[in-house]
Amino acid sequence: EPEVTQTPSHQVTQMGQEVILRCVPISNHLYFYWYRQILGQKVEFLVSFYNNEISEKSEIFDDQFSVERPDGSNFTLKIRSTKLEDSAMYFCASSENSNTGELFFGEGSRLTVL
Amino acid sequence: GENVEQHPSTLSVQEGDSAVIKCTYSDSASNYFPWYKQELGKRPQLIIDIRSNVGEKKDQRIAVTLNKTAKHFSLHITETQPEDSAVYFCAATTDQTGANNLFFGTGTRLTVIP
Repeated sequence: EPEVTQTPSHQVTQMGQEVILRCVPISNHLYFYWYRQILGQKVEFLVSFYNNEISEKSEIFDDQFSVERPDGSNFTLKIRSTKLEDSAMYFCASSENSNTGELFFGEGSRLTVL
Repeated sequence: GENVEQHPSTLSVQEGDSAVIKCTYSDSASNYFPWYKQELGKRPQLIIDIRSNVGEKKDQRIAVTLNKTAKHFSLHITETQPEDSAVYFCAATTDQTGANNLFFGTGTRLTVIP
């Protein structure tokens, strides 16, 4: 069964450093997403991406964040200058189209900012 | 934006008993309500969803009900088994944005006691 894969599974970084989280969505999917979950809190929407551009982003997704699809398979989330409050589990997800409903999630990348 | 509340935060039931998890939402435009199950250390996975044009949907031991007037929806698991133990998240969205920007509840940790 196809899966969304994410790397790394866990990254520890110093405050102020740049971090890139990588995702490989399911190959025939057209919509890609990043969500995050701060420990003990709800899963929060960050950004959706379609047709090589951002389709929607939340208030959390400020200028420190960017997304890119550098090739035909990868979908990345970059945090330019990490802050302590960026520590969270980041989930990538993809969906075949916007109306099927089901999002397929990756297993997450845990980011720890020291 | 949409605000989804979920109760209870933890739930323990004896094997074979039923479990009910309840969610409320704030945006009357929301029309799609999925439920995700997340086992420890694993990715969230869709278990059932419901659209606003129906009031109930059932899939074997799992059912979801939706009350659009009251803006609440519930997950019902009957004949619970130990493998049902997990964290369950409700979510809501409107697919009018063109992407599934899900707004999640805070999760319910279900423990089924053998």
